[in-house]
Amino acid sequence: GENVEQHPSTLSVQEGDSAVIKCTYSDSASNYFPWYKQELGKRPQLIIDIRSNVGEKKDQRIAVTLNKTAKHFSLHITETQPEDSAVYFCAAALIQGAQKLVFGQGTRLTINP
Amino acid sequence: GAVVSQHPSWVICKSGTSVKIECRSLDFQATTMFWYRQFPKQSLMLMATSNEGSKATYEQGVEKDKFLINHASLTLSTLTVTSAHPEDSSFYICSAGDATEQYFGPGTRLTVT
Repeated sequence: GENVEQHPSTLSVQEGDSAVIKCTYSDSASNYFPWYKQELGKRPQLIIDIRSNVGEKKDQRIAVTLNKTAKHFSLHITETQPEDSAVYFCAAALIQGAQKLVFGQGTRLTINP
Repeated sequence: GAVVSQHPSWVICKSGTSVKIECRSLDFQATTMFWYRQFPKQSLMLMATSNEGSKATYEQGVEKDKFLINHASLTLSTLTVTSAHPEDSSFYICSAGDATEQYFGPGTRLTVT
């Protein structure tokens, strides 16, 4: 089955700097890669996703890149703000929607003011 | 986006008792729902796939006789933790998807004393 590895497990950056979180996946058939932000005790919230027919996607300060050949994808947050502090999870699935997600281990991002 | 609700949001029960958690899709029909478990500071681990009108599909290592899943309608799936023990204390989250993405419930915090 699919296996998703996520690094780093913790990341601390100065406010205004950029943060990068990386994930690798094992199943070349996976074609949907969402990123979630989770605050303590809350549900995961989708912040951006990418499909395997696209190499990069950007939404304001957040971007995701996908390298299908290498089977890895990354989350980039620019101009970080204190409210970006949270746990971020990457995930992989065969098809979006009603297909099960396999999550990475999570990255605790701390933005230092 | 679509809304998924869970009830209760938190529950405390004594060891040996059973607890039922409900997951509802409020504004769309979901033939498939997913149940995840999240221990403190860990990732979301898929427990089972709930299929409307048929038996649930359990992930490896998840005891199907302990975690009973019923998906009797297109908007409701229930997870019953039978004979709960302290090690079952966790954050249980359900999700349901449509053609575009998967939507998570707010989660249920289960504490077994």
